[in-house]
Amino acid sequence: NAGVTQTPKFRILKIGQSMTLQCTQDMNHNYMYWYRQDPGMGLKLIYYSVGAGITDKGEVPNGYNVSRSTTEDFPLRLELAAPSQTSVYFCASSRTGGNSGANVLTFGAGSRLTVL
Amino acid sequence: QKEVEQNSGPLSVPEGAIASLNCTYSDRGSQSFFWYRQYSGKSPELIMFIYSNGDKEDGRFTAQLNKASQYVSLLIRDSQPSDSATYLCAVRNSGNTPLVFGKGTRLSVIA
Repeated sequence: NAGVTQTPKFRILKIGQSMTLQCTQDMNHNYMYWYRQDPGMGLKLIYYSVGAGITDKGEVPNGYNVSRSTTEDFPLRLELAAPSQTSVYFCASSRTGGNSGANVLTFGAGSRLTVL
Repeated sequence: QKEVEQNSGPLSVPEGAIASLNCTYSDRGSQSFFWYRQYSGKSPELIMFIYSNGDKEDGRFTAQLNKASQYVSLLIRDSQPSDSATYLCAVRNSGNTPLVFGKGTRLSVIA
């Protein structure tokens, strides 16, 4: 049981390049999330999904796209990378989204992205 | 904009003391409250969650919730140097809305 797996762990991009951050979970969780964390800051929600085929914007969605074709995978796509997207990206999942112990988030190890 | 506020710190306490971390939130309809610990360069890990007014204890940790005053706190008893980390408060409103995180409080426990 690997939990939430993110790849790559580190990546350097040039301005204008595109890339996809991969996220896979093996816990059969319905809910998946992408957060970004800038130095000294909390986590800001980019996109989330409540199930396969359903995605919704979070607080800071501009410059990103997501898809959720399976329960397990929730990739985050960066189009036309900009220096403002330099950050640490965390993928997370939870079994439900309601008010119970099943809504606890499990985080991946993070992906550190630098755009130069 | 729903907000979660925390003092960024650093909060320094001597080993063995009680560390008190506070968090306020703006949405009066918020229903569930979480404390996560994050070591430098690592991902957040859950310490505990609380839904009801009052105290909830788990080992050396106690979460306190006061919905009328819109604050939630985390007490760490017998603080250890290994408790040195950033503590993130997170709040969920009603239904299935995602967690909103505060900026975190950096705690330093001095041996």
